[in-house]
Amino acid sequence: KAGVTQTPRYLIKTRGQQVTLSCSPISGHRSVSWYQQTPGQGLQFLFEYFSETQRNKGNFPGRFSGRQFSNSRSEMNVSTLELGDSALYLCASSPGLASSYEQYFGPGTRLTVT
Amino acid sequence: GEDVEQSLFLSVREGDSSVINCTYTDSSSTYLYWYKQEPGAGLQLLTYIFSNMDMKQDQRLTVLLNKKDKHLSLRIADTQTGDSAIYFCAESSNSWGKLQFGAGTQVVVTP
Repeated sequence: KAGVTQTPRYLIKTRGQQVTLSCSPISGHRSVSWYQQTPGQGLQFLFEYFSETQRNKGNFPGRFSGRQFSNSRSEMNVSTLELGDSALYLCASSPGLASSYEQYFGPGTRLTVT
Repeated sequence: GEDVEQSLFLSVREGDSSVINCTYTDSSSTYLYWYKQEPGAGLQLLTYIFSNMDMKQDQRLTVLLNKKDKHLSLRIADTQTGDSAIYFCAESSNSWGKLQFGAGTQVVVTP
């Protein structure tokens, strides 16, 4: 099976712009979670989508949003970028069932905000 | 609240065993995980253990869970230079899709 793919792998944006990141989960997985990884804060949970519905959300401002499509692919959007949004954004794919919690991560998108 | 703690650094000689420790505070944790991250890469799921288990072995990896003390450890037998990476401990507790991660332990394997 193909693993989790994320596009683009690298991105450079300017403060105030917006950005959209994409994640394609493992075939058959219906849950996609997003995480932000920074040297200062470590790995922080952003949100989780299952069957096109947001099931869970972390403590991030409303500038961070996401969605999931019927094929389980997910996008994450960050509006009005700030310098502090520079990070590695990771998505994780999971079957999404209560009996199956393991998450498989993609390679990440490295976002740099200047 | 939720908190996962790990020591930040471990140095080990090639061929020796490595033991990485982790403590967590959430008593409702259901699954506990170990992930590996190499430079410039995402997280690789190494193994996980359900909270009603004490031990799980998977080839060179052994996970021990002491639920009473909320202590988790990962033992890597016959450590190789390719095992040099950051290892993250994580727990989930009936919160859809959310894993709570520790800060990661940098493991350096010396020849």
